[in-house]
Parts: sequence; structure tokens; C-alpha cells
Amino acid sequence: EDQVTQSPEALRLQEGESSSLNCSYTVSGLRGLFWYRQDPGKGPEFLFTLYSAGEEKEKERLKATLTKKESFLHITAPKPEDSATYLCAVQAVGDYKLSFGAGTTVTVRA
Amino acid sequence: DSGVTQTPKHLITATGQRVTLRCSPRSGDLSVYWYQQSLDQGLQFLIQYYNGEERAKGNILERFSAQQFPDLHSELNLSSLELGDSALYFCASSGGGSRGDTQYFGPGTRLTVL
Repeated sequence: EDQVTQSPEALRLQEGESSSLNCSYTVSGLRGLFWYRQDPGKGPEFLFTLYSAGEEKEKERLKATLTKKESFLHITAPKPEDSATYLCAVQAVGDYKLSFGAGTTVTVRA
Repeated sequence: DSGVTQTPKHLITATGQRVTLRCSPRSGDLSVYWYQQSLDQGLQFLIQYYNGEERAKGNILERFSAQQFPDLHSELNLSSLELGDSALYFCASSGGGSRGDTQYFGPGTRLTVL
């Protein structure tokens, strides 16, 4: 069974203080790894898809990287509007569902 | 705005009742997925439909059922409701592409069972 573990559970940052979130996964064969952002009471908002080890993607202050066992979401010089829960999910080869981690809740103080 | 719509936004009902949640996928998307999000379980996959046919099933209870109609909208039916069914229910859609196709989520329906 696919397993996704995210750490830390919560992260409190000062505005401008860069940090990284970790997503460790176990899957029989990786079809894709997905990062989403979720605000309280809202639907997950798509951020990135990574397909193979070594791949990197960037969007504004966010950068996602992928190895064979884990993915990192780097937040550079965060702003208060980056406060949210960041979810990692994997999709296995031959499968369609997403298996999600529990998420990392990021709070950025001004 | 993901382009996926869900109605209603909120639903409050009593134990033993039946409710229907509705989802309209993004224009052109053939796949619809249903997920449940509760505080203790996180986001859990329930079921997937592709172009009107059931394609994959997760840990969906027998009291729950879904269908996808010819216009591609989908409905999730929850019956004999229990207190533990209180959760956020999300619909997602994807284009059905061959390479790790991205799922776009709707705003969700918050179900409260009293």
C-alpha cells in the first residue's frame, strides 16, 4: 500500500525566513508526485507535479524537488500569505487515485 | 478557481438520513474523483468515474454510492448517515491523460450529521 509521510506537522516561520518541508513516500512504482496547498475549509489548490528523480519545479517563492524516496518543498523568503497547509500526494503506476500525506501546516508571521 | 464546482457548500442533517452531493468537473475533463477529508483521517480517496463508468474504488462504505451522468457531472449519495460521516467531501477532476494526470479539486461540501 502506498504510504506518504510529511514532516514537520507544523512550521512557524518569520516573514523572510526560508525553510523546507519534507515528503517521504513508499510506492510500488511512482507515476507522479503532487504538491497542493490548502487553506482552512477550502479545496486543495494544485501547485506542482513531479514525475522522476532529479526533477525540480518552481513557482514564485516555492520550489519542489524529487528524489527516489522523498520530495522537498522549499519556501524562500516566505510572506504571511504563504500560510497554509501543504499537502503531498503520490499516484502509483497503474493507479488513478492520489494517496495523501497528513500535511504540513505553515504559519508565517509578519 | 479550479473550474470544478460542488453543491451544496454546507449540509446539515440528522443521523439515519440520506443526502446527495453534486459535482461538475472542469470543462473537457472526463474523470471525476471523490475524496473525504476528516480531522483524524486526512484526505481519503473514495471512488473514481471516467466518462460515465466506475474506474476505481477506495475505502468507500457500502452506504455510499456514486454515479457519473452523460453530461459528466457526478453525484455522491450518502445514506443511513452516522455521526462519523461528518466531514468535508471533495470532488476532483482530471483530463484523463496518460502521464500522472493532475487532479483539480472543487471547493468541497461540508457535511454535518447531528
